[in-house]
This record gives sequence, C-alpha cells and structure tokens, in this order.
Amino acid sequence: AQSVSQHNHHVILSEAASLELGCNYSYGGTVNLFWYVQYPGQHLQLLLKYFSGDPLVKGIKGFEAEFIKSKFSFNLRKPSVQWSDTAEYFCAVKAGGGNKLTFGTGTQLKVEL
Amino acid sequence: EAGVAQSPRYKIIEKRQSVAFWCNPISGHATLYWYQQILGQGPKLLIQFQNNGVVDDSQLPKDRFSAERLKGVDSTLKIQPAKLEDSAVYLCASSLWEQGRDEQFFGPGTRLTVL
Repeated sequence: AQSVSQHNHHVILSEAASLELGCNYSYGGTVNLFWYVQYPGQHLQLLLKYFSGDPLVKGIKGFEAEFIKSKFSFNLRKPSVQWSDTAEYFCAVKAGGGNKLTFGTGTQLKVEL
Repeated sequence: EAGVAQSPRYKIIEKRQSVAFWCNPISGHATLYWYQQILGQGPKLLIQFQNNGVVDDSQLPKDRFSAERLKGVDSTLKIQPAKLEDSAVYLCASSLWEQGRDEQFFGPGTRLTVL
C-alpha cells in the first residue's frame, strides 16, 4: 500500500521568504500527486496536481511543485510567501490509476509579518 | 456551483452514544468519500461509494461504523456506539468518475467530540 511522508510538521517563515515543503511517497508504479491546502476555518481545497507530462506543476496563488520520480518526491515551493499563506498543507497520492487518496500528516505553515 | 454540504458542523456526545453525519455531494458527482481526520494527522479514507455501491470500505471499522448512499446522491455515516478515539473531523468529498484523474472536492467537515 502507498504511504506519504511530510517531513516538516511546523514551519514558521517571515513574509517574502521562500518556501519549500517536502513530500515523499512510497509506491513503485504510476502515481498521481496532489497538494491540498486548508486555510484557518476553511475546508480542504486543491492547490495543484500532477498526472503526467511536465514534472513541474504550477498551481494557484503562485505555488508550484516538482515531481522527481527517482526520488519519489513531490515538493511544494513558493518563491515569496505572504501572510495569507498561513495554513495547513497536505500532500496526497493516488496510486495505480485508482481513486483512493492517501494523505500525509500535513505541515502547519505560519507566515509572520 | 454549490460545494459539498455537510451537517452538523459540530457534535458533542458521550461515549457509547450513537451519532450520524449527513453529506450532500456536488450535483452530478458519482463518487463520494468519507474521511476521518484525527487531530495532527492527515485525512484517512473510511469508505468510497460509486453511485450507491461501495467501492472501498477496507478501513471502515465495521463493528461500529456504517454508511449508506441511498439513490446515489446523499450519504449518511453512522457511529454506534461511539468511543473516545472516534473524536475527529469527519470529511465528506465528492468527485466525477474519471479513473485516476479526477479531483476530489471536500466539504467543511463535522467535528465530533466524544466525552
């Protein structure tokens, strides 16, 4: 069965700092990869997704992620964070063409002014 | 477009009591999911429906949890009897049936506290 690891549980950054959140998965076959975000008091929403093609995926609000197959990784990046990016970020994977999403434990990001 | 609706938003019960949650998916979405999210963890799939049939319920504790999706639209998730460890947020999500390529849309969740 697939699993997802998010290495950073809590991250605190100042506005304008660059962000990189790590995500590694364990599954040897075809995967679809996702990053979801949950802003305070709101529900989970999709930030970006990778199905195939260009391994560099761009999402909403200036976020991007790079799929590195050899490293089983799908790290999330943003060159300059804003206070409004304060949220919890979840990496998730679907394996083998199925519909079952497996989530990581999440990373709490706090952006300070 | 209306999102996934869930009710109630909050529920507090005592252990051994019963509780039910309701979910109305996005119109036209054939697939419906129930997740359990315990504090400090990511959501864990409990059950997946395709229309009104169960696709995956391998992680549903069937001795106390049950779910149904009558007529392939709304769904209810029930816990009977509840235990302390059932305290969590219960999320409902829905998606179009596009094998492996669809996006799941999540509802606001029901926060359950078992005392």
